[in-house]
Amino acid sequence: EVQLLESGGGLVKPGGSLRLSCAASGFTFSTYTMNWLRQAPGKGLQWVSSISSGSRSIYHADSVKGRFTISRDNAKNSLYLQMDSLRVEDTAVYYCARAPLYSGYDSDLDYWGQGTLVSVSS
Amino acid sequence: EIVLTQSPDFQSVTPKEKVTITCRASQSIGVSLHWYQQKPDQSPKLLIKYASQSISGVPSRFSGSGSGTDFTLTINSLEAEDAAAYYCHQSSSLPQTFGQGTKVEIK
Repeated sequence: EVQLLESGGGLVKPGGSLRLSCAASGFTFSTYTMNWLRQAPGKGLQWVSSISSGSRSIYHADSVKGRFTISRDNAKNSLYLQMDSLRVEDTAVYYCARAPLYSGYDSDLDYWGQGTLVSVSS
Repeated sequence: EIVLTQSPDFQSVTPKEKVTITCRASQSIGVSLHWYQQKPDQSPKLLIKYASQSISGVPSRFSGSGSGTDFTLTINSLEAEDAAAYYCHQSSSLPQTFGQGTKVEIK
């Protein structure tokens, strides 16, 4: 059974940092592109970042470029999102999601984690 | 950035009724359009991929159609468990984008 389990969310002040993790199990993690998406309270879904199976291709939304960094450790079956210079508008539930692709970005998102809440407030 | 516009934003429907949700893209995206269902306090679940391809385990009452800029999600014979928000998603170009969502309520 495919499982994605996010952790690392919490309350942080504007300008602060957080590192989110996503532990994957039930599939060969090293052969899939992975993504981070977010959903602000009561709002819709927003794509944040993607990383190919071997980390060669990395993409970030303009709204987080230069502040967030996606990475992965295939030996640990884990995906990460380093979030720096956090802003109030980054407040959201952050989801990791699998794309059934070795590389590239043209794909559905077939499995999602349960999400972790990041709150940015003074 | 490709903008996806869903209609309607909200729909109140009686059980067994047919539901149609449309998603219009601001430019052609071929069939790189996917549909998700999100129930309250849950993560999104993939319903339809590449406009019309069914997903294993998803009830057959859910179907999708369309290509280019106009897409439709149809729920035949709505059931109470289908109360949820529905989102379209395009993966044709970066940034990947989502529609604003359609909330389906059961009367």
